[in-house]
Amino acid sequence: QSALTQPASVSGSPGQSITISCTGPSSDLGTSAFVSWYRQHPGKAPKLIIYDSTKRPSGISNRFSGSKSGNTASLTISGLQSEDEADYYCTSYTTANTLLFGGGTKLTVL
Amino acid sequence: QVQLQESGPGLVKSSQTLSLTCTVSGGSINGGSYYWNWIRQPAGKGLEWIGRIYTSGSTTYNPSLQSRVSISVDASKNQFSLNLTSVTAADTALYYCARDAAVAGSPWFAPWGQGLLVAVSS
Repeated sequence: QSALTQPASVSGSPGQSITISCTGPSSDLGTSAFVSWYRQHPGKAPKLIIYDSTKRPSGISNRFSGSKSGNTASLTISGLQSEDEADYYCTSYTTANTLLFGGGTKLTVL
Repeated sequence: QVQLQESGPGLVKSSQTLSLTCTVSGGSINGGSYYWNWIRQPAGKGLEWIGRIYTSGSTTYNPSLQSRVSISVDASKNQFSLNLTSVTAADTALYYCARDAAVAGSPWFAPWGQGLLVAVSS
C-alpha cells in the first residue's frame, strides 16, 4: 500500500496561515470517512492534533483546523508561530481496513 | 491518564526476530474498546503503520509486513507485544506503540509511547 501524498515541505512567516494537503486514491481516502493529523517535533513522538477530519482534541489550539473534500484532506494552521515548526502527518483507513500514513510535511516558520 | 512505554532490545541481528513490548499504565488494556498499535519510523523518514490488536484479541496487519508480523496481548501484565521475523537492515527504525479509539472509519492514535530505537546489525 502506498503512502498518502503530502507536500514534502511548506513554509510561512509568523502570523501567516498555511495549508497542508493530504491526497489518496479515491478508492481509499475518497471513501474513508475520516482523516486524522499529527504533529511531530524533532526527537518527539507524534501528537494528535485533528481527528474525524475536522475535530480538535482537548488542549489543541483553535489555530489548527481540518477539512476534507473527496479524496483530499487539508490541515490549516493560522497565526503561524515558531512552535509550529515540525513535521505533520495525515492518516486514514484503506478499503481493506488497514491504516495508511501520509509521507509527512516539514513545516518551516521563516 | 493512560501512558504507553515501549521496551525491548535496541539491537537485533539480521535474519533474527525483533520482539518488543508495550506496557500500558494508568488504565486497563481491557478497559474499553481500543486498538493497540505498532508504528515505526526509519531515521529521517515518515511513519509506517505495522499493525494492531483489538481488545478482543483480533489482529490486523500492514499487508507489506503481514508475512513477518505478529502482535499479541497479555492482559494480566497490561502489555501487548510485537514480533517481527527475519529482520533486515530495512527494519532499523524507531518503533512506537499507540492506542487507537476503535471508532469505525476514524483513526485516532493517542496516546503514543516515547518510541524505542531498534537497529538491525549484519
